[in-house]
Amino acid sequence: NAGVMQNPRHLVRRRGQEARLRCSPMKGHSHVYWYRQLPEEGLKFMVYLQKENIIDESGMPKERFSAEFPKEGPSILRIQQVVRGDSAAYFCASSPPSVATEAFFGQGTRLTVV
Amino acid sequence: GDSVTQMEGPVTLSEEAFLTINCTYTATGYPSLFWYVQYPGEGLQLLLKATKADDKGSNKGFEATYRKETTSFHLEKGSVQVSDSAVYFCALSDRNTGNQFYFGTGTSLTVIP
Repeated sequence: NAGVMQNPRHLVRRRGQEARLRCSPMKGHSHVYWYRQLPEEGLKFMVYLQKENIIDESGMPKERFSAEFPKEGPSILRIQQVVRGDSAAYFCASSPPSVATEAFFGQGTRLTVV
Repeated sequence: GDSVTQMEGPVTLSEEAFLTINCTYTATGYPSLFWYVQYPGEGLQLLLKATKADDKGSNKGFEATYRKETTSFHLEKGSVQVSDSAVYFCALSDRNTGNQFYFGTGTSLTVIP
């Protein structure tokens, strides 16, 4: 059973471009979480999704950011018109629908905006 | 709402010293509690967990006990090694909030020889 797969591992975008970050959860996991980590800072929750539904997006900026987890395929975190402040590591985690189980993390995507 | 508060870092210890990283939580229901570890350039890995009051999670010499009366889940290790240098995150998952995960801000540990 492969772990949580994120790609790309590293992404460089110029200001104003779009960034698409992909996350394939572990097999059987229907819950996906996205977090942002700035250098020397902790994890900031962004969004929590279940298949085809956004459960909690309270941590995601209202503008330029969007997330989806379609019935088929990976979860996508999309950042439009990127700015330098979007440079960070973005981590995805997944968990099964049962309670009391841990979330499993991917290796992250390191976004650099130049 | 639910939240996790953990000890501010960074923490620097000599090899073989005793480690405690404090973690307290606020939750509306009966959460499960976790400690995660992040090594440089990597994602978070589960270190240990406890799913109900008085449970003790343990792994690789680390321990933490779920204390409902003090709403705490402090991480301890009797003798740290240089290889334990990493960032440690306390977290909770609460079924009352649909299994949302809440993380502390992380505590950076450096162990010097």
